Amino acid sequence: QKEVEQNSGPLSVPEGAIASLNCTYSDRGSQSFFWYRQYSGKSPELIMSIYSNGDKEDGRFTAQLNKASQYVSLLIRDSQPSDSATYLCAVRPNDYKLSFGAGTTVTVRA
Amino acid sequence: DGGITQSPKYLFRKEGQNVTLSCEQNLNHDAMYWYRQDPGQGLRLIYYSQIVNDFQKGDIAEGYSVSREKKESFPLTVTSAQKNPTAFYLCASSMGTGTVEYFGAGTRLSVL
Repeated sequence: QKEVEQNSGPLSVPEGAIASLNCTYSDRGSQSFFWYRQYSGKSPELIMSIYSNGDKEDGRFTAQLNKASQYVSLLIRDSQPSDSATYLCAVRPNDYKLSFGAGTTVTVRA
Repeated sequence: DGGITQSPKYLFRKEGQNVTLSCEQNLNHDAMYWYRQDPGQGLRLIYYSQIVNDFQKGDIAEGYSVSREKKESFPLTVTSAQKNPTAFYLCASSMGTGTVEYFGAGTRLSVL
């Protein structure tokens, strides 16, 4: 079983729609969860971090965490062409290690 | 201008050659990390360092070596023992282990 699993995509959404990305993790003791955005050929950049159950909103992005279900998601509202990228879910199962999913590629159609 | 600087951006390795990737940060971060990313895959941890003069192996350390002689610098050497070195190498740093990690721009390594 992979430590972090994401929908492989690609996910194609029209401009202005909501993009929904899902991530599940295997280590029930994980305490920190992150979403990174990675444009093609570039390095990952942090867009959201979440540590407690529930929702966390930052602009057009909302992260949702459910530790009982070992599930974390990212919603992108009012999707823009500039949101087209690969989104990496990262989970911290212990103090030193950050485990990454393979990423979900999102394409926003103008 | 604070950040993490990786060099070179592109690197080519000949058969049997060791190559060193540079990573420098001026964020005053204690922890530094090296990851490898292969196409269509997530990042895999090679080595990490929590403090100067100390480092630990990650999930795929075989064929790689590191040093941490200065807080700002964490160079990665890809040795000839690494038989499949072609990948995108990412250096990251954080204030301490367990905190948010920020990434450099990466080095793309290819084999001639």
